[in-house]
Amino acid sequence: DTGVSQNPRHKITKRGQNVTFRCDPISEHNRLYWYRQTLGQGPEFLTYFQNEAQLEKSRLLSDRFSAERPKGSFSTLEIQRTEQGDSAMYLCASSDGTGMNTEAFFGQGTRLTVV
Amino acid sequence: AQSVTQLDSHVSVSEGTPVLLRCNYSSSYSPSLFWYVQHPNKGLQLLLKYTSAATLVKGINGFEAEFKKSETSFHLTKPSAHMSDAAEYFCVVSPNDYKLSFGAGTTVTVRA
Repeated sequence: DTGVSQNPRHKITKRGQNVTFRCDPISEHNRLYWYRQTLGQGPEFLTYFQNEAQLEKSRLLSDRFSAERPKGSFSTLEIQRTEQGDSAMYLCASSDGTGMNTEAFFGQGTRLTVV
Repeated sequence: AQSVTQLDSHVSVSEGTPVLLRCNYSSSYSPSLFWYVQHPNKGLQLLLKYTSAATLVKGINGFEAEFKKSETSFHLTKPSAHMSDAAEYFCVVSPNDYKLSFGAGTTVTVRA
């Protein structure tokens, strides 16, 4: 399977713990995006990378959230001191970024439950 | 700011009948618009996109959408629903070439 891969698929954690998610984009894609989707809502943009550079972060991304993309390949999203409000599906997407509105391919997401 | 409003949170149709999912957009200039589908336990998949070429856009699986600037609408249609069309559908606007702004979604159920 050469699509976008996210791990883990599910994560249950206690409030206050740190969690880290991983995203492996389609190999030739230089753009990588993180979105968050809560129940009954559409995904909301969190941040995006062009190669290894993080070019924009949403106001939704509080200082407890950090994302990295070392060497412009896979990306990690870390949430520190998790809160119950962080419970959501975290989606990763990638695109080749060669022109306007190129298609973004989404992974299946990581579902986070904070108890 | 650009945004979309999906007018129906849930649509139920009988198999073989037409499907209509309504979407209105808000934009200060000609936007790029998309429809994505999300099946349970699967990633979001692009159905079709409008990028200021033809106003009638054909997508995968028999879906199409028409961009109507005068009505600020981008409704999604399919002439004949199939059981496999049961899913969540999102209307999406892109304010630039990297960020997608999703609507709240429309859940489609198909009755046998």
